[in-house]
Amino acid sequence: DAGVTQSPTHLIKTRGQQVTLRCSPKSGHDTVSWYQQALGQGPQFIFQYYEEEERQRGNFPDRFSGHQFPNYSSELNVNALLLGDSALYLCASSPVTSGSYEQYFGPGTRLTVT
Amino acid sequence: DAKTTQPPSMDCAEGRAANLPCNHSTISGNEYVYWYRQIHSQGPQYIIHGLKNNETNEMASLIITEDRKSSTLILPHATLRDTAVYYCIVRTTDSWGKLQFGAGTQVVVTP
Repeated sequence: DAGVTQSPTHLIKTRGQQVTLRCSPKSGHDTVSWYQQALGQGPQFIFQYYEEEERQRGNFPDRFSGHQFPNYSSELNVNALLLGDSALYLCASSPVTSGSYEQYFGPGTRLTVT
Repeated sequence: DAKTTQPPSMDCAEGRAANLPCNHSTISGNEYVYWYRQIHSQGPQYIIHGLKNNETNEMASLIITEDRKSSTLILPHATLRDTAVYYCIVRTTDSWGKLQFGAGTQVVVTP
């Protein structure tokens, strides 16, 4: 059983460009959350998707947007990239029926903005 | 949302128990305490969670004080593979369980 997968592993973009990151949740999971982790800091919640809709959002600007597909996979889009967007982007999945709301994290996508 | 306080770092000898403290003095009655860890260059990994009773699984034990204002994660026999950043998190009251990570505790297990 594959866990949470993310692509690409690494990405280098130029300031002002747009980027799309992808996530496939663990089998049986229907909720996907995205986190941003700057170097030396803990992950920060960006948003969460369930039933193809954004259910919760953290303190991130509208440049950060997402999408969830019928197969529960998800994309994170960031427009007008800033140098400060350089970070590890983590995707986490969980089953909505889980009473513990345990989240399973993928390995992340390392984004570097130059 | 309740916040947590953890020491920034701690060392532990291989084979010994590692006791990781966490303060969550403003925790609400229906909020759980969760522990995750993050090994270098990997995504966070769930360890254990609890509400008010002590919990144990194959990875660790969680001891929560009676007033629920603090807790301790215990790794009974630390190995070199337990070197990681450990995060103590209080789950938000929102049932969808957004996780708010702090800076965590960097644990280094030495031979």
